[in-house]
Amino acid sequence: NAGVTQTPKFQVLKTGQSMTLQCAQDMNHNSMYWYRQDPGMGLRLIYYSASEGTTDKGEVPNGYNVSRLNKREFSLRLESAAPSQTSVYFCASSRDSYYEQYFGPGTRLTVT
Amino acid sequence: GNSVTQMEGPVTLSEEAFLTINCTYTATGYPSLFWYVQYPGEGLQLLLKATKADDKGSNKGFEATYRKETTSFHLEKGSVQVSDSAVYFCALSGSSASKIIFGSGTRLSIRP
Repeated sequence: NAGVTQTPKFQVLKTGQSMTLQCAQDMNHNSMYWYRQDPGMGLRLIYYSASEGTTDKGEVPNGYNVSRLNKREFSLRLESAAPSQTSVYFCASSRDSYYEQYFGPGTRLTVT
Repeated sequence: GNSVTQMEGPVTLSEEAFLTINCTYTATGYPSLFWYVQYPGEGLQLLLKATKADDKGSNKGFEATYRKETTSFHLEKGSVQVSDSAVYFCALSGSSASKIIFGSGTRLSIRP
């Protein structure tokens, strides 16, 4: 079992470029999440998907979009990257929304 | 609404010292409680959990007891090691309709 996988591990973008962060889980979990973590700060929820076919905004959704492609995969898209989006992005999944979450290794994104 | 408050860091201890990281919560009903650990450069990992009052979660020498009367879930370890240096997050999940809520994290550094 790979658990939660994320690609890419590192990315550098110029302001205004777009990209998609990929996340997949092999635990047959219903719920998936995207967080960002800035230096010295905790986690902030960007978007989540309580079940396949649904997505909802978290506390910091502006500048991002998500797609729950199927039960396994949940992608995060930055349409026009800004320096304020420089962060580490974590994907997580859980059996259902109130169960413990399992995290991927993160994507370190720098926007110049 | 539900919330988690944990001890501000950073916390610096010498090897073999006793560790306590405080965590208190506000929630309606009977939440489940979690401690996560994040080692440098990695994602969060579930360290331990407790799902009902008076339960004790334990793992890798760490323990935490779910105290409903004091709404607390303090993390303890009797003798810390350098390898315990990490950021620790307290978290809770409430009713079946809610997501996990994370505390702000406590950075722990252990001196040899």
